[in-house]
Amino acid sequence: GESVGLHLPTLSVQEGDNSIINCAYSNSASDYFIWYKQESGKGPQFIIDIRSNMDKRQGQRVTVLLNKTVKHLSLQIAATQPGDSAVYFCAENGGATNKLIFGTGTLLAVQP
Amino acid sequence: DSGVTQTPKHLITATGQRVTLRCSPRSGDLSVYWYQQSLDQGLQFLIQYYNGEERAKGNILERFSAQQFPDLHSELNLSSLELGDSALYFCASGPNMKAEAFFGQGTRLTVV
Repeated sequence: GESVGLHLPTLSVQEGDNSIINCAYSNSASDYFIWYKQESGKGPQFIIDIRSNMDKRQGQRVTVLLNKTVKHLSLQIAATQPGDSAVYFCAENGGATNKLIFGTGTLLAVQP
Repeated sequence: DSGVTQTPKHLITATGQRVTLRCSPRSGDLSVYWYQQSLDQGLQFLIQYYNGEERAKGNILERFSAQQFPDLHSELNLSSLELGDSALYFCASGPNMKAEAFFGQGTRLTVV
């Protein structure tokens, strides 16, 4: 039979706008978080990370915000470009378990 | 290029067979992770090794096994293959257990 792909949340933005991708994590003991970008046919690419003793971390055109109270992580991309189109995953490292667990992902579609 | 090398890139095999996927981590990285990515399951954590020892285990089937060798390369063995094992298998490596993990380009396994 025909396979059905994973139905990802999709964020559609105009080129040049800022993008905000959200992630809810599950383990309150998680103390390290990573955002990845995955383009079609490629492996996930590390974007930025943050440890639980921080609320915010900035990189080049990207900012990660961590709200431990509500177990929420967000990735902000400034001046979104067509090359930013990809699936974005958050990943959490669950405390003592050392497992790096991925969320379901968000598809970012940048309209020219 | 992440510096993580996976071979082979593509693999087609029949049901019931056994295959071995190989991963060479980035130079200096001690930690190796294995993930399965299928259309309807996202990125599923399988197992993690650190400096030759198993450190975390996900929902890895009993038909699957892995090891990390003294030279730090890792192999994932998949046996008694079923159609549902068809997926992308990714390896990632990192300097330690609570740090960024960099992914290879994956091995696409097709079981027919």
